[in-house]
Amino acid sequence: KNQVEQSPQSLIILEGKNCTLQCNYTVSPFSNLRWYKQDTGRGPVSLTIMTFSENTKSNGRYTATLDADTKQSSLHITASQLSDSASYICVVSASGTYKYIFGTGTRLKVLA
Amino acid sequence: SAVISQKPSRDICQRGTSLTIQCQVDSQVTMMFWYRQQPGQSLTLIATANQGSEATYESGFVIDKFPISRPNLTFSTLTVSNMSPEDSSIYLCSVEESRGETQYFGPGTRLLVL
Repeated sequence: KNQVEQSPQSLIILEGKNCTLQCNYTVSPFSNLRWYKQDTGRGPVSLTIMTFSENTKSNGRYTATLDADTKQSSLHITASQLSDSASYICVVSASGTYKYIFGTGTRLKVLA
Repeated sequence: SAVISQKPSRDICQRGTSLTIQCQVDSQVTMMFWYRQQPGQSLTLIATANQGSEATYESGFVIDKFPISRPNLTFSTLTVSNMSPEDSSIYLCSVEESRGETQYFGPGTRLLVL
């Protein structure tokens, strides 16, 4: 069964600190993996997208990694800001389909 | 990038009534997707809407409950029919770039059914 699991479910950190969010998946055949940021009351916004051959991709203070062998991905946030408070969703798509499998997200709270 | 708008942004409805949600995209797209996000949960795909053909529904979702229209390449509607409190959710419209590089989401319609 295709699944995407994220950890932790929620996280609280102080402004300026770094954090890493985890995503494990069992989707096969794998096409790509995306990380989204979803602010409260808004639709998700794409942060990064990685294909099988990519193992790291950055977008400003966000750096995503992908290990296709172990089927794990991480999203590292550097020097967190209050505006980083949001839900971060890992999404994996399977080859040959428009199906996207969504993780349940990690809810991040950055405190001043 | 695609810019997506949805109407209404939120609504409070009575049990047994129906609500039609509109999704407008600023560019022509082949496939549009409708998702539901229940409180504290991640997104669940309701259906895929192609222009000129019937929508394709995911397991657990049926056309009688969630009829979809796709009259052209920039617009779609999702109707939530005969609503119950269990339909209280955020409904999101989404499109994908033709090259499949990324998926864009609308701001969502927050629905509360009393």
